Amino acid sequence: AQTVTQSQPEMSVQEAETVTLSCTYDTSESDYYLFWYKQPPSRQMILVIRQEAYKQQNATENRFSVNFQKAAKSFSLKISDSQLGDAAMYFCAYRSPQGGSEKLVFGKGMKLTVNP
Amino acid sequence: NAGVTQTPKFRILKIGQSMTLQCAQDMNHNYMYWYRQDPGMGLKLIYYSVGAGITDKGEVPNGYNVSRSTTEDFPLRLELAAPSQTSVYFCASSDTTGVLPYEQYFGPGTRLTVT
Repeated sequence: AQTVTQSQPEMSVQEAETVTLSCTYDTSESDYYLFWYKQPPSRQMILVIRQEAYKQQNATENRFSVNFQKAAKSFSLKISDSQLGDAAMYFCAYRSPQGGSEKLVFGKGMKLTVNP
Repeated sequence: NAGVTQTPKFRILKIGQSMTLQCAQDMNHNYMYWYRQDPGMGLKLIYYSVGAGITDKGEVPNGYNVSRSTTEDFPLRLELAAPSQTSVYFCASSDTTGVLPYEQYFGPGTRLTVT
C-alpha cells in the first residue's frame, strides 16, 4: 500500500520570504499523481498544485512550485513571497493511476505559520 | 454551481444513536468519496462510489454505510455511534473527463462529536 510522509509537523516563515514543505512517499507504481492541498481554518480543502509522475517538468502555479524527485520519491512544495493568507495546514497526497477508485492517500499534514 | 455541499455543519450525537450525513454535488461528477479527518491527521477514505448504484469500501469503513441512488447524492450513514467516530467528515467528488480529470473537489466538512 502507498504511504505518504510529512515529517515536519510545523513550520513558520516571515511574510515575503520563501518556505519549502517536504513530503516523501512510498510506492511500487511507476505512474501516479501527487498533490498538495491547503486547509485554512475554515477547514475547506483547496487544491494548490498537482504533479503527474510521468512528467519530468516540475509543476508551477503562480507563487507555488514543486520539486519532484521521482527516484528519491520526494515531492516538496515551495511557496515564494509568502503571504499572510498562506497560513494553513498543508497536506501532501498521492493518487494511484489504477482505475476504479481514484482515491487519495494523504500525509498527516503540516501547519504553516506566516509571521508579519 | 454550488459545488459539493454537506449538511449538517455540526452535530453532537450520543453513543448508540444513528444519523445520516448528507452530501450533494451539482457538477455531474461520476466519482464521489467520504473521508474522515481525525485531529492532527490527514484524511482517510471511508467509502467511495464510481457511479450511481456502485459503492466500495475505503480504508476505514467499519461503522458506516453508504448508498448512491443518484449521481448527485452520496449520503453516509452512521449506525450505533461510538466515541471513536468523533471526527470531521469530508465529502468529495471528481470526474474522469474534462480539463483536470481526477481532481477532487471537497465539501466544507461536517464536525461530528459523539459523547
